[in-house]
Amino acid sequence: SQQGEEDPQALSIQEGENATMNCSYKTSINNLQWYRQNSGRGLVHLILIRSNEREKHSGRLRVTLDTSKKSSSLLITASRAADTASYFCATAPTGANSKLTFGKGITLSVRP
Amino acid sequence: GAVVSQHPSWVICKSGTSVKIECRSLDFQATTMFWYRQFPKQSLMLMATSNEGSKATYEQGVEKDKFLINHASLTLSTLTVTSAHPEDSSFYICSAPRGPYNEQFFGPGTRLTVL
Repeated sequence: SQQGEEDPQALSIQEGENATMNCSYKTSINNLQWYRQNSGRGLVHLILIRSNEREKHSGRLRVTLDTSKKSSSLLITASRAADTASYFCATAPTGANSKLTFGKGITLSVRP
Repeated sequence: GAVVSQHPSWVICKSGTSVKIECRSLDFQATTMFWYRQFPKQSLMLMATSNEGSKATYEQGVEKDKFLINHASLTLSTLTVTSAHPEDSSFYICSAPRGPYNEQFFGPGTRLTVL
């Protein structure tokens, strides 16, 4: 199975609510990154969390990383309709290799 | 922030023709670039790692003779889909890493439709 498995696969919430997305992975990582993709577009980097970090914030985004459980979560607070997109977690392996492995993605729909 | 461009953004071609897609890092140099393909409602699948000045590294199952990669300069990598067939229709995305943690910067993607 893929390194980087997100859940849920689809999430529908009301504007203003918080959205929590989870990602699990299998192998040792150097860092974990979250990306957003609007339909038919490229990916936008949201946030990177290193393996020695446990939590990171960026605006309305909060990412946690639990290396003992090999899992990460992305929280979007006070969601907006513009947050509607697909979200992917991607893991970077230990070592010099910069190759990322992407999860299957989560489709987030924020209803206005 | 770092910018990566792709050209063209979309292309429609006849079966049997070859299509070249360009990926450029506009404000930084990239010795490595990555090429992905993405089918509708699916995740990105890494096809190959493009290495400046040397051969590309292909992922298992990706035909190197069909997907030709050239990384001729520190800011340009090209992917050529040779003898394209309808099953090659997909969204092709490139990325380039930058920074101490290899944050990936993605191009906007190229939609290829093979008739």
